[in-house]
Amino acid sequence: DTGVSQDPRHKITKRGQNVTFRCDPISEHNRLYWYRQTLGQGPEFLTYFQNEAQLEKSRLLSDRFSAERPKGSFSTLEIQRTEQGDSAMYLCASSRQGSGTGELFFGEGSRLTVL
Amino acid sequence: LAKTTQPISMDSYEGQEVNITCSHNNIATNDYITWYQQFPSQGPRFIIQGYKTKVTNEVASLFIPADRKSSTLSLPRVSLSDTAVYYCLLSGGYNKLIFGAGTRLAVHP
Repeated sequence: DTGVSQDPRHKITKRGQNVTFRCDPISEHNRLYWYRQTLGQGPEFLTYFQNEAQLEKSRLLSDRFSAERPKGSFSTLEIQRTEQGDSAMYLCASSRQGSGTGELFFGEGSRLTVL
Repeated sequence: LAKTTQPISMDSYEGQEVNITCSHNNIATNDYITWYQQFPSQGPRFIIQGYKTKVTNEVASLFIPADRKSSTLSLPRVSLSDTAVYYCLLSGGYNKLIFGAGTRLAVHP
């Protein structure tokens, strides 16, 4: 499978714990995005990388959230001191700069439940 | 960023044609109109994109009038597997896509 891969698919944690999600984009894609989706809502943009540079962060991304893409390939999204409001599906997407449609390819997401 | 407005939900029956209309009154000159489909517990999937007039692919057709202030996604002869959420977005000149709540399409037997 050469699509976007996310790990873990499901994570249950207790309030106050730290969690980390990993995203492996499609190999030739230099753009990588993180979105968050809660039940009944569309995905909300969190942050965006072009290669290893984090070019934009949403105001939704509080200080407890940090994302990295150290070598311009895979990315990690860490949430520190989780809160119940962090429970959501975290989606990663990738795209190739200069592609005709700018199509984003999404992974299947990492579902976080904070107890 | 320009916003889009689309119906919250729609119902249809197998074999019917479904048309989902999206309003985007403040569309910019460099905006493309893009539609994504999302099934439960999956990430959104690109369906179709257009700039003006009509675009057709193996999945859907997209109709865009001359003023580009609205667009219509047309799904021919839907089946139960077309039950999903459909998002209308504007893309172009931005580094990210902004999703609304989408249209929940339910296809009934």
